[in-house]
Amino acid sequence: SQTIHQWPATLVQPVGSPLSLECTVEGTSNPNLYWYRQAAGRGLQLLFYSVGIGQISSEVPQNLSASRPQDRQFILSSKKLLLSDSGFYLCAWSGGDNLLYEQYFGPGTRLTVT
Amino acid sequence: GQQLNQSPQSMFIQEGEDVSMNCTSSSIFNTWLWYKQDPGEGPVLLIALYKAGELTSNGRLTAQFGITRKDSFLNISASIPSDVGIYFCAGQLVNDMRFGAGTRLTVKP
Repeated sequence: SQTIHQWPATLVQPVGSPLSLECTVEGTSNPNLYWYRQAAGRGLQLLFYSVGIGQISSEVPQNLSASRPQDRQFILSSKKLLLSDSGFYLCAWSGGDNLLYEQYFGPGTRLTVT
Repeated sequence: GQQLNQSPQSMFIQEGEDVSMNCTSSSIFNTWLWYKQDPGEGPVLLIALYKAGELTSNGRLTAQFGITRKDSFLNISASIPSDVGIYFCAGQLVNDMRFGAGTRLTVKP
């Protein structure tokens, strides 16, 4: 069966520090991968998605970036965090052996920028 | 982005009551999905709908894909305390998926 992992689970970082969040998927090949941000009590905002290694599409211009160095690894980064980057970051996957339109989410990373 | 109108925003119900929530859009979608999110966790897929008019059940949950392809509803029958959480709808067209803002459900024992 497929599983999706995210780490760290929680993170507290000062303004201006760098960020690296990691997401990995197991049990499937060539998945589509997604990064979402969820502000407190709000819905999901798509940040990036990737249909393959090295292929990244950005939905919202910001100081975040994403990379996909391996088929089942998706990384969200920032060189300098802003206070507004605080939130709950969710990674999701779709496709592979499953129907393309069903997205499955990881457990999330709670980021607090102080 | 969030271009789906999901209602209600929140619901406070008594255990055992039935619940209904819906999503509408000005755009058509090929797929409608319903997710549930518990506090501090990622959303979990409850039901996926692929055809206009389709009615699908998953235990006490029933969801329908509107015939116009612009709306969907989710019903929960005989609610229990563990139904508490935020329910999200999502509409998908090709590679574009949009989420509703969520319905926060509180169930009083």
